[in-house]
Amino acid sequence: ILNVEQSPQSLHVQEGDSTNFTCSFPSSNFYALHWYRWETAKSPEALFVMTLNGDEKKKGRISATLNTKEGYSYLYIKGSQPEDSATYLCAFYHYGGSQGNLIFGKGTKLSVKP
Amino acid sequence: DAEITQSPRHKITETGRQVTLACHQTWNHNNMFWYRQDLGHGLRLIHYSYGVQDTNKGEVSDGYSVSRSNTEDLPLTLESAASSQTSVYFCASSEGTGLEQYFGPGTRLTVT
Repeated sequence: ILNVEQSPQSLHVQEGDSTNFTCSFPSSNFYALHWYRWETAKSPEALFVMTLNGDEKKKGRISATLNTKEGYSYLYIKGSQPEDSATYLCAFYHYGGSQGNLIFGKGTKLSVKP
Repeated sequence: DAEITQSPRHKITETGRQVTLACHQTWNHNNMFWYRQDLGHGLRLIHYSYGVQDTNKGEVSDGYSVSRSNTEDLPLTLESAASSQTSVYFCASSEGTGLEQYFGPGTRLTVT
């Protein structure tokens, strides 16, 4: 069974703080790494899809890096705002396997206090 | 605008009944997926399809079935609902392998 680990499970920060989360995944049979943002009572929405080792992607104050050789990705949020409060999911897309192709971590729940 | 919808949004059913959850997308995506979300487990894949007449089992497929007769729809059927299938179910679609998935609004199913 393939596992995707995310840490921390939850995080409470003050408005204006910068923060980062970690996603660890198996380094074999790698195809892509996804990051999703999931607000309460809504559906997950894609932030980034990353495929190449060393990839760095940015969307506004949010950025992500990828290391496929060692099997980890970081998500950074610069100057957190209350509207950034959500659960951030990463998902590992791999070749083949009985579990299907996209394995999700359990997420990091971010709460930003004004 | 293209979208992905699920119905019903909420369903209460009894143990042993057959239940079908609908998923409809207008993205014209070949790939469609069903997940369940439970506390402590995150999103787990139930079944997926890469095109019409194609269906595949995911991590937690026991007790569930899907069919794909057209591009737009992937209904999920619980053959004989069990209390362990109480969950929130999400349907998703994507344009191709490894690409971002677009999620529906979810269906909250309670089996009593």
